Amino acid sequence: LAKTTQPISMDSYEGQEVNITCSHNNIATNDYITWYQQFPSQGPRFIIQGYKTKVTNEVASLFIPADRKSSTLSLPRVSLSDTAVYYCLVGAIPRGGFKTIFGAGTRLFVKA
Amino acid sequence: IAGITQAPTSQILAAGRRMTLRCTQDMRHNAMYWYRQDLGLGLRLIHYSNTAGTTGKGEVPDGYSVSRANTDDFPLTLASAVPSQTSVYFCASSGLAGELFFGEGSRLTVL
Repeated sequence: LAKTTQPISMDSYEGQEVNITCSHNNIATNDYITWYQQFPSQGPRFIIQGYKTKVTNEVASLFIPADRKSSTLSLPRVSLSDTAVYYCLVGAIPRGGFKTIFGAGTRLFVKA
Repeated sequence: IAGITQAPTSQILAAGRRMTLRCTQDMRHNAMYWYRQDLGLGLRLIHYSNTAGTTGKGEVPDGYSVSRANTDDFPLTLASAVPSQTSVYFCASSGLAGELFFGEGSRLTVL
């Protein structure tokens, strides 16, 4: 399993774009990159997933360079409600399941 | 839409007692997982199951056991609870796309 490294915490202000970068130097050919968001007292929630280049949905964008050794989660115009912990996971898409390991995550604090 | 249902929501337990945390999913996902999350820390994988009838050990399996008799249920048992098992426990499942769906968690306090 590829190990991931993320910043422990980040601060931002409302309305700003936030970029959280995750390093995964040992990513394998079959691995996808997935990001989750967790609010206090709740289980993590899927945000976005990608394999290469750029993926965008209604919540975020995910940028993955050609070497795939890192990825950046981009949150446009954050609000106070985006204050949460964000986890980057790297692993193969399971046909039946796999040993999904979470790292420590990045604690994002959005200020007014 | 239920998704993942965990029970109990919270429990206070005396050390040495046996406890089973229940987890049921209605999405017909093959894979299920149990994580623990301690205050201010990330999630740690306890056990997982790729499909009914199979289970595997995660990062922190000691003191816990699981079973997967059918697709929907994945109970986690603490045979003899200890204070270090005080934590919030999350059950999750995933289908072919790999996206994890989590329950609301079970907060366990062992005194």
